[in-house]
Amino acid sequence: ETGVTQSPTHLIKTRGQQVTLRCSSQSGHNTVSWYQQALGQGPQFIFQYYREEENGRGNFPPRFSGLQFPNYSSELNVNALELDDSALYLCASTPPTGRREQYFGPGTRLTVT
Amino acid sequence: AQSVSQHNHHVILSEAASLELGCNYSYGGTVNLFWYVQYPGQHLQLLLKYFSGDPLVKGIKGFEAEFIKSKFSFNLRKPSVQWSDTAEYFCAVNVGGSQGNLIFGKGTKLSVKP
Repeated sequence: ETGVTQSPTHLIKTRGQQVTLRCSSQSGHNTVSWYQQALGQGPQFIFQYYREEENGRGNFPPRFSGLQFPNYSSELNVNALELDDSALYLCASTPPTGRREQYFGPGTRLTVT
Repeated sequence: AQSVSQHNHHVILSEAASLELGCNYSYGGTVNLFWYVQYPGQHLQLLLKYFSGDPLVKGIKGFEAEFIKSKFSFNLRKPSVQWSDTAEYFCAVNVGGSQGNLIFGKGTKLSVKP
């Protein structure tokens, strides 16, 4: 069984640019959540997608947006990048069991210069 | 707002020592509780979980955790650590009835000396 995969692994962008990160959920998992993990911190919830719609959002500005596709894969888009956006971005998927356990991918390391 | 506190930033133990990592959360209602582990160079892995029932839950690799509702705690334990347990450990809470997101603590780095 393939776990959660994310691409790219690493990315370097310049302040003001836009970035798209991608996530493929674990087979059969229909809910995808995105988290931002700054250095030395625990992951912070950005938003969650279920049935291709946003199903909850954390305390992140509108320049963080996302999509979920019919195959449950997902994208995270960040516009007008700021230096503080430098972090590890984690995607997690949840099985359709009604339980809220989440399985994480390896993350995308974003560096904004 | 709900929060999760992990009391120890960095714990250093010798092999065979016993481990207990503290986790407290701030929410008075129904919660689902998790411990995740991140080994060096690897992604977050689910170590154990609590939804309901027996407050003592067992996870992988000999880890267990006890949910004490009156103390809002979910401490992680292992009777005898190994060098391979060197990793960062994160406690996480999902507030029942919420949108399903996890609230994480800041993590505890465990270093086990051989």
